[in-house]
Amino acid sequence: EAGVTQSPRYAVLQEGQAVSFWCDPISGHDTLYWYQQPRDQGPQLLVYFRDEAVIDNSQLPSDRFSAVRPKGTNSTLKIQSAKQGDTATYLCASSPLNTGQLYFGEGSKLTVL
Amino acid sequence: QQKVQQSPESLIVPEGGMASLNCTSSDRNVDYFWWYRQHSGKSPKMLMSIFSNGEKEEGRFTVHLNKASLHTSLHIRDSQPSDSALYLCAASRTGYQNFYFGKGTSLTVIP
Repeated sequence: EAGVTQSPRYAVLQEGQAVSFWCDPISGHDTLYWYQQPRDQGPQLLVYFRDEAVIDNSQLPSDRFSAVRPKGTNSTLKIQSAKQGDTATYLCASSPLNTGQLYFGEGSKLTVL
Repeated sequence: QQKVQQSPESLIVPEGGMASLNCTSSDRNVDYFWWYRQHSGKSPKMLMSIFSNGEKEEGRFTVHLNKASLHTSLHIRDSQPSDSALYLCAASRTGYQNFYFGKGTSLTVIP
């Protein structure tokens, strides 16, 4: 079974630039999460979807961050006007309905100079 | 506000020793706990979950849960260098699929 796939694996930006991260969850998993993990810290939830619907985006810095999952499968997380404080690994995870177990991708490591 | 607190921040144990990690939730609505392990440069992978009061054992790993105090602990016996990793505790609420993670405990097992 294929795991959660993320791309790109690495991105280096200057402040003010934009970047998009893409995630392909495990087939059949209806719930998809985006987490931000600063270096040496735990993952912090940004947003999660059930199918194409946003269930909770309360932790998403809405002025510069956006996330979509238009067909309930793949998802894109976009950061506009990046800041140095956005430097972190962005983890995508998926979960089958009502199981409670998260399957993480390898992450997209962002460095903002 | 951090909903899940983990201690200690870091832990060093000798090979063959016992490692004990703690996790407490400040959200009284949570009732499910998970432990994930994240090796350096890798993504987190689930180790164990616990939903009921008491103890659960899988091989060298034992998890305890006290739902009254919202405290869970993970114990690793006969620790191996390959156990060196960041251990993350996560919590969630019945009917919700928000998973809140703690900052983690960094475990180093010295040969």
